[in-house]
Amino acid sequence: DTGVSQDPRHKITKRGQNVTFRCDPISEHNRLYWYRQTLGQGPEFLTYFQNEAQLEKSRLLSDRFSAERPKGSFSTLEIQRTEQGDSAMYLCASSSGGQRVFGPGTRLTVT
Amino acid sequence: QKEVEQDPGPLSVPEGAIVSLNCTYSNSAFQYFMWYRQYSRKGPELLMYTYSSGNKEDGRFTAQVDKSSKYISLFIRDSQPSDSATYLCAIVTGNQFYFGTGTSLTVIP
Repeated sequence: DTGVSQDPRHKITKRGQNVTFRCDPISEHNRLYWYRQTLGQGPEFLTYFQNEAQLEKSRLLSDRFSAERPKGSFSTLEIQRTEQGDSAMYLCASSSGGQRVFGPGTRLTVT
Repeated sequence: QKEVEQDPGPLSVPEGAIVSLNCTYSNSAFQYFMWYRQYSRKGPELLMYTYSSGNKEDGRFTAQVDKSSKYISLFIRDSQPSDSATYLCAIVTGNQFYFGTGTSLTVIP
């Protein structure tokens, strides 16, 4: 499979716990994006990497959120001290400067 | 004012109908116009991509852009039950993607 993959696909966690999601982009894509999507809304931009450098962060990305792309390949998104409002689909996308290809998403439920 | 406005629907049509999905946008600097299809609990997949005013066809799908009115449309001909999904418009300038809220479409057999 040469598409964008995300792991896990679903995560249920209790409020206050930390969670980490992984995204594996298309191998030749140097740009990687994280989005959050809630029910009935379009994807909202969170952050963007070009290779290993995090070039842009949305104001939606509070200090409880951190993203890394240590070797310019896969990326992780960690949410610390989760809140019920963090429940959403977290989407990763990659591109080589043109069209963005989205992964299947990680659905987070915070109880 | 939001950068992109899209009627969320839901839209329900009989199989074989022509479907029209629309978005309006506010910034005339927007350069590229995309339509994504998103099935339930899946990530968005790119359907159509255009950057100029006018029509672009791909099979049963036609993307239409009217830059003077800041209006984009996606038409689906001979709609099929497998077209049932949420359709998102995305409008791009530079590295910024602005998504609409999505229109939920159900095609009834």
